[in-house]
Amino acid sequence: AQTVTQSQPEMSVQEAETVTLSCTYDTSESDYYLFWYKQPPSRQMILVIRQEAYKQQNATENRFSVNFQKAAKSFSLKISDSQLGDAAMYFCAYRTSTSGTYKYIFGTGTRLKVLA
Amino acid sequence: NAGVTQTPKFRILKIGQSMTLQCTQDMNHNYMYWYRQDPGMGLKLIYYSVGAGITDKGEVPNGYNVSRSTTEDFPLRLELAAPSQTSVYFCASIKGGTASYEQYFGPGTRLTVT
Repeated sequence: AQTVTQSQPEMSVQEAETVTLSCTYDTSESDYYLFWYKQPPSRQMILVIRQEAYKQQNATENRFSVNFQKAAKSFSLKISDSQLGDAAMYFCAYRTSTSGTYKYIFGTGTRLKVLA
Repeated sequence: NAGVTQTPKFRILKIGQSMTLQCTQDMNHNYMYWYRQDPGMGLKLIYYSVGAGITDKGEVPNGYNVSRSTTEDFPLRLELAAPSQTSVYFCASIKGGTASYEQYFGPGTRLTVT
């Protein structure tokens, strides 16, 4: 069974600085997706960025980028130029596609605080 | 499109009561999911469905039942509510297929069992 681990329950970053959130996963599959979701106090789940396992190039979305290390099964999120609005819970997620059933497995989350 | 809608937004149940959480999507998505999120934790999969008439258990199915009679609706039934079922419940959907990756989430239902 696949597992997703986020070892940082909480992180803090100064406004305008850069922060990296860690995520590791375990799987025997070769084809899968990885995601980072943001959950602000409103509880709405917002997709931040995704990475296809077959792509070597790291995904980037504006100030958000990932460091995908497939062999090490590591998938970290880097937030550059942090803003107050980035404060939220961040969840790493893995999508399996065994037998055409798309199941998502979430980590326990990292609470990000942005300091003014 | 309204996306994924959930009702109710909040509910308080007494131990032993039953209720149904409603979930509807208007995007013609094939796959639908129910998750629970306990305080300070990630989402855990309760049940999922790959299409009308087909459902399967997720990680934490005990105490819950689902049905999928139409593509749009995926209700979650709680029988004999217990305090351990106090949680926030999210419904989500995707179209399906290798190019369809983003889960669309509903706003959640906060359930308290006392």
